Amino acid sequence: QVQLKESGPGLVQPSQTLSLTCTVSGFSLTSYNVHWVRQPPGKGLEWMGRMRYNGDTSYNSALKSRLSISRDTSKNQVFLKMNSLQTDDTGTYYCTRDLTYWGQGTLVTVSS
Amino acid sequence: DIQMTQSPPSLSASLGDKVTITCQASQNINKYIAWYQQKPGKAPRQLIRYTSTLVSGTPSRFSGSGSGRDYSFSISNVESEDIASYYCLQYDNLPPTFGAGTKLELK
Repeated sequence: QVQLKESGPGLVQPSQTLSLTCTVSGFSLTSYNVHWVRQPPGKGLEWMGRMRYNGDTSYNSALKSRLSISRDTSKNQVFLKMNSLQTDDTGTYYCTRDLTYWGQGTLVTVSS
Repeated sequence: DIQMTQSPPSLSASLGDKVTITCQASQNINKYIAWYQQKPGKAPRQLIRYTSTLVSGTPSRFSGSGSGRDYSFSISNVESEDIASYYCLQYDNLPPTFGAGTKLELK
């Protein structure tokens, strides 16, 4: 069955870089798009960007200067890197296949 | 970017009630709207896609309708397991954009 699981550090210091991994199973990254969506505590959902099945990427314009999404198809993994983190980047980060199937999310706290 | 105006922000209902949430897009989104349910500490769960198509496993008491810029999502006969937050999402244009959410509570 389709599964996605996010992993990464739970705590990141301000101004540092966040690196998250989405490991997928049950489908091929060369056939489906994977998106990243985040949610600050108690707030709504924000689309961050996506890795298309063909390797193309798209980003939220508000994050584009800080965000990079890549993948390793041999490992069934999609990566998110975002630099210059601030406290308002604190939240739960989700990867999702086509915004239909979602991972459980990983909480990232930006704090010194 | 397309803005999605979702209302109401919160809703209080009794068991068995029918409730309706609306989303208005800032432009025509050609029925490319999905609706999600999110319970505390959990990932969003897609209930409806393309305005009115129920995702496998979605109970029939959930429904969606609309066209152009205006869309609605309804739950008939609210059950206790429906207490959650609900979000709309337009995926007609990049970037996909979410409504601000509606929190459904028991009266």
